Amino acid sequence: QKEVEQNSGPLSVPEGAIASLNCTYSDRGSQSFFWYRQYSGKSPELIMFIYSNGDKEDGRFTAQLNKASQYVSLLIRDSQPSDSATYLCAVRRVFNKFYFGSGTKLNVKP
Amino acid sequence: GAVVSQHPSWVICKSGTSVKIECRSLDFQATTMFWYRQFPKQSLMLMATSNEGSKATYEQGVEKDKFLINHASLTLSTLTVTSAHPEDSSFYICSARDLVGGQGTYEQYFGPGTRLTVT
Repeated sequence: QKEVEQNSGPLSVPEGAIASLNCTYSDRGSQSFFWYRQYSGKSPELIMFIYSNGDKEDGRFTAQLNKASQYVSLLIRDSQPSDSATYLCAVRRVFNKFYFGSGTKLNVKP
Repeated sequence: GAVVSQHPSWVICKSGTSVKIECRSLDFQATTMFWYRQFPKQSLMLMATSNEGSKATYEQGVEKDKFLINHASLTLSTLTVTSAHPEDSSFYICSARDLVGGQGTYEQYFGPGTRLTVT
């Protein structure tokens, strides 16, 4: 079983729609959860992190965490073509190691 | 956010040679840096954790004698790929962690990556 699992996609949504990205993790000891965006050939860039159950909003982005279900999601409202990228879910475990999912490719169609 | 740089951004080398990649935290001190490798269309795979002033901790399956890590200062970690072979061709990314928000949560800041091609 992988540490962090994501659907590879591609997930296609029309411009202006809500994109929903999901992630599950295997270790209940995971402490913090992160969403990164990675454009092709580039390094990942942090979108947001969450460590408490519930929702956390930052602009057009909302992260949701459910520790009982070991589930993290990222909602992108009013999706723009510039949001097209691969979204990586990462969890922080003991010794501050980060483990990444394989990423979900998002296509936002104009 | 904090800035992490890597040098070089890309390198081409011949099989059997060694290549050194530098990772620097520019505006903060990083006691811990991480080295990742990413093959095309795959996720980042943690290779090793680099701790300032001590030996690096390698993930299972990563050869410590092939991937030499040195973290001599609070702002610099280096990864040397020794006797590189074509299968070592990959995108190598470093990251440094910094405490954020006063919540005991560490955020990782990634360098721009180094694309290594071994011919």
